[in-house]
Amino acid sequence: GENVEQHPSTLSVQEGDSAVIKCTYSDSASNYFPWYKQELGKRPQLIIDIRSNVGEKKDQRIAVTLNKTAKHFSLHITETQPEDSAVYFCAAYPNSGNTPLVFGKGTRLSVIA
Amino acid sequence: DTGVSQDPRHKITKRGQNVTFRCDPISEHNRLYWYRQTLGQGPEFLTYFQNEAQLEKSRLLSDRFSAERPKGSFSTLEIQRTEQGDSAMYLCASSLPGAAEAFFGQGTRLTVV
Repeated sequence: GENVEQHPSTLSVQEGDSAVIKCTYSDSASNYFPWYKQELGKRPQLIIDIRSNVGEKKDQRIAVTLNKTAKHFSLHITETQPEDSAVYFCAAYPNSGNTPLVFGKGTRLSVIA
Repeated sequence: DTGVSQDPRHKITKRGQNVTFRCDPISEHNRLYWYRQTLGQGPEFLTYFQNEAQLEKSRLLSDRFSAERPKGSFSTLEIQRTEQGDSAMYLCASSLPGAAEAFFGQGTRLTVV
C-alpha cells in the first residue's frame, strides 16, 4: 500500500522567511496530493492540493510542487507570519480501489516573531 | 456551521467501558471516513463508507471497533472494552462522490483512564 514520508518533523523560521516541507510517496499510481494545516485543538484544514497532471500550484503565499518521477512533493510558504504556526500534514490519494488518503506524520512549524 | 460535525468533542472513560462517537458529514457528501490521530502523528485510516456500505477497514480496526452508517447519512464508531491504548483523537471526514478532497470534523478526543 501507499506510504508517505514527511520531513522535517519540526521547523522553526523567522517571521518573513520561507518554509519548505517535503514529502515522498511510494505508490506511483497516487494522483492527488493535499496539504492540511492543523492548529492546536482544531480540525485539519485543507489549504492546498495538487493533482498528478500538474507540476506546481500556487495560492497567494502558499505553493506546492510535485515531481512524479521522483515521487515527491513539497509545500512552500513564503513571507511566513506567526499565524502560519501549526502542524502541517501532507497526504497522498492512491488511485486504486477504495483506499482513502494516506497521511504523513506531520511537520510542526513555528514562526518566530 | 455546515461542515462535518462530531459528538462528543471529549470523552473520558474507564478502561473496559464501551464508548460510541457520532459523525454527521457535510450533507451532500456520500463518502465518510474515520481516522485516528495520536499525539505527534498524522491521521491513521480506520474505515470508510460510501453511502451505507462499509467499503474498507484498516488492520488497525480490531474486533473491538465497529462502525455503522445505517442510512448513509451520519455514522457511529463504537469501541468496546476500551483500553488505554485507545486514547486518541478520533477524526471523521467526508467527501463528495468521486472527489478526493476530504473535509474533517473537529474530532472526538478519547481518554481512557
